[in-house]
Amino acid sequence: GAGVSQTPSNKVTEKGKYVELRCDPISGHTALYWYRQSLGQGPEFLIYFQGTGAADDSGLPNDRFFAVRPEGSVSTLKIQRTERGDSAVYLCASSRAISETQYFGPGTRLLVL
Amino acid sequence: QKEVEQDPGPLSVPEGAIVSLNCTYSNSAFQYFMWYRQYSRKGPELLMYTYSSGNKEDGRFTAQVDKSSKYISLFIRDSQPSDSATYLCAMSGATGFQKLVFGTGTRLLVSP
Repeated sequence: GAGVSQTPSNKVTEKGKYVELRCDPISGHTALYWYRQSLGQGPEFLIYFQGTGAADDSGLPNDRFFAVRPEGSVSTLKIQRTERGDSAVYLCASSRAISETQYFGPGTRLLVL
Repeated sequence: QKEVEQDPGPLSVPEGAIVSLNCTYSNSAFQYFMWYRQYSRKGPELLMYTYSSGNKEDGRFTAQVDKSSKYISLFIRDSQPSDSATYLCAMSGATGFQKLVFGTGTRLLVSP
């Protein structure tokens, strides 16, 4: 079946702009996760959702980052006033339930100029 | 110091070699230990996971966990050029797979 999809695959923006990154989880998966992967590093946890609610947002680096999942399926990661240090690959994963294995999407490559 | 340490490589081996990939960690609360494979410009793909200590085998892959030493390993037998990728170890606490903590990844190159 279809895996996790993320759009756009690449995003180039200017410092100070606002960006939205979208994640479509595997159908029926109730848990959704966001990670950030900087060049040469492993993914770093940002936030995860169980259904519509953010169960743990302790990985969000600051209040410029926000994520929503209003209907318990698609999620959007929003970054305000982007900075060059936000440049990274943003990965989304989903799982059938919390405490089950996560399946990752291909990521969105964000470049802030 | 990072919670999970992993040599970034690259590790270059000839086809058919046995590959050993390793991670060390500092958080004794970790109970689930995973290995992911990541091809260039793709998302990580779960290879296998182990709960607590012990060994687990799946085809050419064997995962080992030594909690007393806080050391985990992934062995790949009869390595193939298609195994060339970055291998990421990941860990989580007793509640399961949420909030994974990853190593930096080891880049593996298998030459024909």
